[in-house]
Amino acid sequence: DTEVTQTPKHLVMGMTNKKSLKCEQHMGHRAMYWYKQKAKKPPELMFVYSYEKLSINESVPSRFSPECPNSSLLNLHLHALQPEDSALYLCASRSEYGYTFGSGTRLTVV
Amino acid sequence: GDSVTQMEGPVTLSEEAFLTINCTYTATGYPSLFWYVQYPGEGLQLLLKATKADDKGSNKGFEATYRKETTSFHLEKGSVQVSDSAVYFCALSDYTGNQFYFGTGTSLTVIP
Repeated sequence: DTEVTQTPKHLVMGMTNKKSLKCEQHMGHRAMYWYKQKAKKPPELMFVYSYEKLSINESVPSRFSPECPNSSLLNLHLHALQPEDSALYLCASRSEYGYTFGSGTRLTVV
Repeated sequence: GDSVTQMEGPVTLSEEAFLTINCTYTATGYPSLFWYVQYPGEGLQLLLKATKADDKGSNKGFEATYRKETTSFHLEKGSVQVSDSAVYFCALSDYTGNQFYFGTGTSLTVIP
């Protein structure tokens, strides 16, 4: 398995909802990342997990809460989001050969 | 700090035209360099990469050569197709592998 799998592919949520994004990889990579991407812009780094520990938090609002339950799984818990949080959320993992990105979750906040 | 500067778009070409998208970088040490492609509505796909000076990455007719003397990694394709319409991102991984930097992206539209 050489993929990073993200679910769901699409998500619509209200501003009072709580939802979670899921990311899985079975390549044995020990560094995993969450990125946020707005249309026609490069991805912006949100969080980095290294060996299941949060190593970088790029000043992300607390309404985004990451979790790394094990070395294969990365979650992003969402609560009380704003319409401006609508974006493509990308997960990635890293080995010594480079970064592998998932296909993303397209999130719309209404 | 490390950074990537990418040619501004959008770029519009006719089918079978030659493509060049310029990318230059600033980095300490010996970074790895990448081109990613993002088709409409999709995530990022690795197109090609090069990990040391003079390496040439190639895939699907696209090529890029890691030029340390000019700190460049320009993307080229000899004959583009309509299906190549996408946004192309140049990216750099620093020599530790811990930091990753994207260029601003170049939107390519190929018309029949």
